[in-house]
Amino acid sequence: DAGVIQSPRHEVTEMGQEVTLRCKPISGHDYLFWYRQTMMRGLELLIYFNNNVPIDDSGMPEDRFSAKMPNASFSTLKIQPSEPRDSAVYFCASSLQVMNTEAFFGQGTRLTVV
Amino acid sequence: AQSVTQLDSHVSVSEGTPVLLRCNYSSSYSPSLFWYVQHPNKGLQLLLKYTSAATLVKGINGFEAEFKKSETSFHLTKPSAHMSDAAEYFCVVSDPWGGATNKLIFGTGTLLAVQP
Repeated sequence: DAGVIQSPRHEVTEMGQEVTLRCKPISGHDYLFWYRQTMMRGLELLIYFNNNVPIDDSGMPEDRFSAKMPNASFSTLKIQPSEPRDSAVYFCASSLQVMNTEAFFGQGTRLTVV
Repeated sequence: AQSVTQLDSHVSVSEGTPVLLRCNYSSSYSPSLFWYVQHPNKGLQLLLKYTSAATLVKGINGFEAEFKKSETSFHLTKPSAHMSDAAEYFCVVSDPWGGATNKLIFGTGTLLAVQP
């Protein structure tokens, strides 16, 4: 398996534009997580899914953020409209539905909103 | 609620000397604990994990960690640092909320510098 695949690796966009980040989890994994990493706040869990169903989105900062998982092999994180303070590295991770197992992370998407 | 505290934001060692990265946890349950490493501009890679088996856990690249319940600690060590160990290290606790999730709670990270 190629691991968790995120695209794009880098995204530069203008304030107000819509941004869509994509993630393909490891095949067979039941959980999918979206994290955001910034210097100020470190790694924050935004939302996670179990079997394609959103379980906890309490980490989503605002209504401008939304995430979907239409099937077991694909998820998106959308920001509309984007703002400069959304600039961060966004990581997707997946894991099996086994208690206390580790999560496998993608390479991340570095988002810059100018 | 589960949480982890990484006691040092930066650690600097000389190549060939021991590494100690400190982590304390707070947990209402019997926790699962992990150490992840992040090299510059890379994703996070699992170094090792503790899941209530042996208290001394060996990981990749010569790292190990010891779970000490009495001290609520899970410090990461390596006998001899290598230049390639320079990275950011995250101590992580698994939050079994609802009894069936693997929600990971990350520490704030320790940046390890290795001097030649």
